[in-house]
Amino acid sequence: DIVMTQTPLSSPVTLGQPASISCRSSQSLLHSDGNTYLSWLQQRPGQPPRLLIYKISSRFSGVPDRFSGSGAGTDFTLKISRVEAEDVGVYYCMHGTQPPHTFGQGTKLEIK
Amino acid sequence: EVQLVESGGGLVQPGGSLRLSCAASGFTFSSHWMHWVRQGPGKGLVWVSEIHPDGSITNYADSVKGRFAISRDNAKSTLDLQMNSLRAEDTAVYYCVRGTSAWKGVDFWGQGTLVTVSS
Repeated sequence: DIVMTQTPLSSPVTLGQPASISCRSSQSLLHSDGNTYLSWLQQRPGQPPRLLIYKISSRFSGVPDRFSGSGAGTDFTLKISRVEAEDVGVYYCMHGTQPPHTFGQGTKLEIK
Repeated sequence: EVQLVESGGGLVQPGGSLRLSCAASGFTFSSHWMHWVRQGPGKGLVWVSEIHPDGSITNYADSVKGRFAISRDNAKSTLDLQMNSLRAEDTAVYYCVRGTSAWKGVDFWGQGTLVTVSS
């Protein structure tokens, strides 16, 4: 199984400042079809998860452009250019390359 | 609007069984892979199972293989998860999740249903 490792596990950020979360997979997520199926999800307190980014860097419908994704192979990053209060929650990376579709442990974003 | 509404959660004793259901609407159900993902109390997300749009392929996490069975009824736009031989560690909120049609992943999530395994 592919293991997804996120760092940091907790990220205190000042409002208006950038934030960055890393995700590393135990093996390459490059699929035989040439795509890399790495997604980022946000889970606000008391809510189900919500898709933010898919295929490394594509923003899902309705996601603000302050969220961006990057990376390749086994190393990926989610960046928030300017953190807003509504961004508080837990962020997960997830791969869709093959079953089981494992998640990272989650990174808790909180405001300083 | 995509809607996924889970039901069937509740309290069950260890060794018991429970059947979860998910009613889907707002999209062509028969065109999408569907998944179950769970989240233990205060814990992270864990993928449980997936099923092909026509039901011909199913996959499971090792932790539930042989105990859980995923199924679907495309005529009724419903997704089920039959859970047998339940253990305390199966206690979690279970989410019904839509697989994407354009890439390998998931997009829309239901609100979840709580399963508690306890004596």
